[in-house]
Amino acid sequence: QSALTQPASVSGSPGQSITISCTGTNSDVGGYNYVSWYQQHPGKVPKLMIYDVSKRPSGVSNRFSGSKSGNTASLTISGLQAEDEADYYCSSYTSSNTYWVFGGGTKLTVL
Amino acid sequence: EVQLVQSGAEVKKPGESLKISCKGSGYSFIRYWIGWVRQMPGKGLEWMAFIYPGDSDTRYSPSFQGQVTISADNSISTAYLQWSSLKASDTATYYCARRPVDNYGSDTFFFDYWGQGTLVIVSS
Repeated sequence: QSALTQPASVSGSPGQSITISCTGTNSDVGGYNYVSWYQQHPGKVPKLMIYDVSKRPSGVSNRFSGSKSGNTASLTISGLQAEDEADYYCSSYTSSNTYWVFGGGTKLTVL
Repeated sequence: EVQLVQSGAEVKKPGESLKISCKGSGYSFIRYWIGWVRQMPGKGLEWMAFIYPGDSDTRYSPSFQGQVTISADNSISTAYLQWSSLKASDTATYYCARRPVDNYGSDTFFFDYWGQGTLVIVSS
């Protein structure tokens, strides 16, 4: 069982917006602005999409945005495209002895 | 260009030892943490451990402490992940990834560059 909880799957149609949640505790998501998000296409290497809750690395589309409220972080993808279909993982620093945790991952299907 | 190039796929038997590698280039290897991440077949990402090549400082996830050993050889800009006695449950793809420092030299908590992954199959 992952320390951060994500929905197993989400779906949306092209052009729509979707949001993937990542729920933790005061020891991780809620306590620090160190949430990051990764995209992984099948058989491919994970790619950093968002770091420090809402910062976007150079080269990542501005259709991707991150936010946080309390113990839940969110990744929003607007203007959904077929190429966005992938698995998405959140990650966070944690003050527990685990130090660093990933969520269980969310499979995004573009209908 | 920053690159992390990992060693090739391995097929091993239970009880055997293994050491896989991750060679960094295009940046100052000793100044960035390298992490290792496991992905079991059809499963999610799991952080295993970090090493800071500059002083060999290490940090392990409690789930992997004592199960694996990480090290680095700065002379060839290479980090390693090793097992002394593999189990079938070690079958997975293992990624190395770079953890950057911020503009003030402080720790960050994300991976900006990833290796291509090393598939390890442990089967009798």
